[in-house]
Parts: sequence; C-alpha cells; structure tokens
Amino acid sequence: DAKTTQPPSMDCAEGRAANLPCNHSTISGNEYVYWYRQIHSQGPQYIIHGLKNNETNEMASLIITEDRKSSTLILPHATLRDTAVYYCIVRGVDGGSQGNLIFGKGTKLSVKP
Amino acid sequence: DSGVTQTPKHLITATGQRVTLRCSPRSGDLSVYWYQQSLDQGLQFLIQYYNGEERAKGNILERFSAQQFPDLHSELNLSSLELGDSALYFCASSGRLGRAFFGQGTRLTVV
Repeated sequence: DAKTTQPPSMDCAEGRAANLPCNHSTISGNEYVYWYRQIHSQGPQYIIHGLKNNETNEMASLIITEDRKSSTLILPHATLRDTAVYYCIVRGVDGGSQGNLIFGKGTKLSVKP
Repeated sequence: DSGVTQTPKHLITATGQRVTLRCSPRSGDLSVYWYQQSLDQGLQFLIQYYNGEERAKGNILERFSAQQFPDLHSELNLSSLELGDSALYFCASSGRLGRAFFGQGTRLTVV
C-alpha cells in the first residue's frame, strides 16, 4: 500500500502557483519523498525528490516539513500543460539498489484558463 | 525522451495467447521496474529487477513473469491472456541517483 495521502483533486488558475500537499506521517529516516506526474496515459514523469531539505529545480519546488511528516509540491506558474495526475511517493534506498516506487491514487490537478 | 525504450508500442492479441513486452533501460541504469495500468486505474507495481536479480515483487499474477538479461534489458511475459489483462504496461529504470524514468508504455489489447 502507498504510504502517502493526497487530495484526490485540485484546481488552479493558469499563471498562479499550484501547491499540492502530501501527508507521509509514517516516513522513516532513510526514505525520500518523490514526486511524479502523469499526463493522460503517458509514462509518468519525474519531477523532484528530497530527503529533508527543501529542493528546487526547473520544474518545481519541494517543501518538506521539519518533522518530515508532510510535504508540498509547488508549481510556481501553472500552465494548461501542467494538468495531470501528481503522485507523491515515499521511497527507501537500500544497499545501493533503490526501493520500488509504489503509486497511490495521486492528485488530479486541473489548470484552468 | 526519458531514454527508456519500450517495444512494441501497441499490441493486439487474442485471449489465451502469450506475449512478450520488451524494455531497454537508460544507459547505465541497473534497476528495472514493471507496472500495469488498466483503464482509468492507478499504476500497479508488478516487479523490480536490479542487475539481473529479482529485487521486489508486487501484485504480479502467476501467469506473468519477467527477467532482466545481462545487457540489462528486461522482458515481461504475459501468458494465458484474459480480457482483463488489457492495459498499459510501463517500464521504468533507475540508476545511482535514484530517479526512475519511465518509458512511454506498451498498450496491450486482448480481444
């Protein structure tokens, strides 16, 4: 079973920031938080991941709370092309081989004009 | 382009048949994952291989099997196909940095 809880759906106005929350209260010390998205039956796309520090890349920012029990993915200026299902995944690293990725139901983000 | 190649892109076959889906991981990636996504369903983890060895197993049916070859490509074999096996099948690979990249999937239709 997925170790994360996400709202099933969210709306966002085009050009505004999209803030997608994720709860992962049972996360353990060696587990990372990963975010992926899937645009209509395409292969899931990696967005960002982090352990405990906030992270930013060209796609998004990831804010992880100090207790690591929740996180927020931020798309700073959402466009219509960001409409997708967003998955928050907790994943361990074990002895050099990465743990498997278990997808939950994700959040369906609809960006509206 | 994720660098993960899946073939074929589309496959139509009859019930009871056997098919093989192929995945070429990104250069240097040792881990390969297989997922099944039925219509309007979530991504179901099937199986993971790491450097040729089975690493983790999910909800994979006994009629399904997979392997990873010495050149690190992987094959997913589906046998005694049923209508309910119609789905998108995704392969992903990951390397030392931990990011997994997905192929564009194989759409299997069982008729």
